[in-house]
Amino acid sequence: GENVEQHPSTLSVQEGDSAVIKCTYSDSASNYFPWYKQELGKGPQLIIDIRSNVGEKKDQRIAVTLNKTAKHFSLHITETQPEDSAVYFCAAPEGDTGRRALTFGSGTRLQVQP
Amino acid sequence: NAGVTQTPKFRVLKTGQSMTLLCAQDMNHEYMYWYRQDPGMGLRLIHYSVGEGTTAKGEVPDGYNVSRLKKQNFLLGLESAAPSQTSVYFCASSYNRAGTGELFFGEGSRLTVL
Repeated sequence: GENVEQHPSTLSVQEGDSAVIKCTYSDSASNYFPWYKQELGKGPQLIIDIRSNVGEKKDQRIAVTLNKTAKHFSLHITETQPEDSAVYFCAAPEGDTGRRALTFGSGTRLQVQP
Repeated sequence: NAGVTQTPKFRVLKTGQSMTLLCAQDMNHEYMYWYRQDPGMGLRLIHYSVGEGTTAKGEVPDGYNVSRLKKQNFLLGLESAAPSQTSVYFCASSYNRAGTGELFFGEGSRLTVL
């Protein structure tokens, strides 16, 4: 099955700085890479995703980059704000389920210091 | 529009007791999933369903059973609870298979097994 590794496990930045979270995946056939944000006491929520036919996608202050050759993708948050503090998960399609489900990384706890 | 609703939100069980977690979605989604979340381990897939009357095993299915008798409901059962099943359980649903599109999560059910 798919193996997704995520780093770092915790990240602390000053408000206004940038934050970068990186993930690697193992299945070269994977073609869809979403990022989810989980606020305290809530379920994860999709914030951005990228498909393998593009190398970068932006949505205001967040962006995702994909390197299919190296099998890694990254989440970039610019001009961080306190409300960006949360746990972030990367994911990739799980081949053992016929890509009907996602395999998630272990999560990154981002803390933005005011 | 409630989205994905999980009940109960909290439950404490003694070892050997049984219980059922209920997940209900009002988005007419075909696909439904049960994940468990443990510290440092991200979200791990327990079981999933690709439509009414179907179920399939995920990464960590042992000790759990599921049923999807109605399209809008996905039940997760623990027949004989063990302390290793102490976790936060998340239900999710999607219109298309999760390997291609957005997952919508419930707010979680925190289960403690003593």
